[in-house]
Amino acid sequence: DIEMTQSPSSLSASVGDRVTITCQASQDVSIHLNWYRQKPGKAPKLLIYDASKLEAGVPSLFSGSRSGTNFTFTISNLQPEDFATYFCQQYDNLPFTFGPGTKVDIK
Amino acid sequence: QVHLQESGPGLVKPSQTLSLTCTVSGGSISSGDYLWSWIRQPAGRGLEWIGRISVSGATDYNPSLESRVTIGLDTSNNQFSLNLRYVTAADTAVYYCAREPRGYRPIDYWGQGTLVTVSS
Repeated sequence: DIEMTQSPSSLSASVGDRVTITCQASQDVSIHLNWYRQKPGKAPKLLIYDASKLEAGVPSLFSGSRSGTNFTFTISNLQPEDFATYFCQQYDNLPFTFGPGTKVDIK
Repeated sequence: QVHLQESGPGLVKPSQTLSLTCTVSGGSISSGDYLWSWIRQPAGRGLEWIGRISVSGATDYNPSLESRVTIGLDTSNNQFSLNLRYVTAADTAVYYCAREPRGYRPIDYWGQGTLVTVSS
């Protein structure tokens, strides 16, 4: 299985902050990497797919990039609804695997 | 608008079989454009992909669960199902059903999730 490591595991931030989360795959997954936001008691919501493509209807303050097996997710201007947990997921190889998550809470 | 809804017992005894159904509305499960998936999440932990099924009945399973899992399709009722045999407390989790478009596309619709607790 492809292991996805994610950092940090948690962070504290304020509204308006720029937040960056990284995800590393244990082997090449090409561009097949998603970023999800999950709020407590809710299903994950897709924000970024193919490493850098914005899902329809998702604000452009979210962005993603890739460098080899390293992926970066950025929220440029943190909003109140963005305090949540974020997961990366690779869908290049079965079984699809997820990162352990990054919890973003209020400073 | 496509909607997926999980249903099934919320409590299962150890060594028994966990059985869940996902009912799809707003779209046909018989469409060849999609794969139908199950994913779970233990409390406070990350997500684990369980497996998926195509309209032809072809399945892919997570090797870690493959010996205990069966995913089935019921096109007449627009549903798909999950059976997980010989459950233990480690199988306690929120179970999600989801729709995955074919061809290296991410999951585009998720059910709301259902908590299944394994306990005697």
